[in-house]
Amino acid sequence: ETGVTQTPRHLVMGMTNKKSLKCEQHLGHNAMYWYKQSAKKPLELMFVYSLEERVENNSVPSRFSPECPNSSHLFLHLHTLQPEDSALYLCASSREEGTEAFFGQGTRLTVV
Amino acid sequence: AQSVSQHNHHVILSEAASLELGCNYSYGGTVNLFWYVQYPGQHLQLLLKYFSGDPLVKGIKGFEAEFIKSKFSFNLRKPSVQWSDTAEYFCAVLGGHFGNEKLTFGTGTRLTIIP
Repeated sequence: ETGVTQTPRHLVMGMTNKKSLKCEQHLGHNAMYWYKQSAKKPLELMFVYSLEERVENNSVPSRFSPECPNSSHLFLHLHTLQPEDSALYLCASSREEGTEAFFGQGTRLTVV
Repeated sequence: AQSVSQHNHHVILSEAASLELGCNYSYGGTVNLFWYVQYPGQHLQLLLKYFSGDPLVKGIKGFEAEFIKSKFSFNLRKPSVQWSDTAEYFCAVLGGHFGNEKLTFGTGTRLTIIP
């Protein structure tokens, strides 16, 4: 148990659906991240939040919309996704931006 | 821009064999280096890390890694693997100027240990 919890663990959604991924950390960290892991590709950093403010958006399509209501929670809202968005989405947190990250178990997303 | 290369996508070994997984990075400045492991059905967890000092780093479960600055490498080793070491292993580098550090992962190496 790393202290970073992601729900749901698995999600299957149609291209017209709207869904949200949730991440919660109980480590008192100030930075939270969304990563995407596709097969045969490096982990891709999607969003970085530091002290609840978005500090980085690595050119992620607008069909992915993050939300960080407080330092313990991070959401990734999904709408009108494409099949190529199917991947493992990992949430992580760290004490400060750029320090050692602790990862959740990920949400396996399948877009049909 | 920094990048991380893991040369082996899939490694298959018998129990008790010795292991070395390659990791090379490209970044000209000071770096912190990590190996993460993901066991089947579990989350990513830290195996070991290098920040400074002794370039030979010892981690959990008998793993070690050696930072060779001249080769931009941080290879992971274990003298004798066990079936329970079956997992995916990710090398990562943290680099960049203070306040603008980036954590970059390699593509991962899947390790399968045959009993």
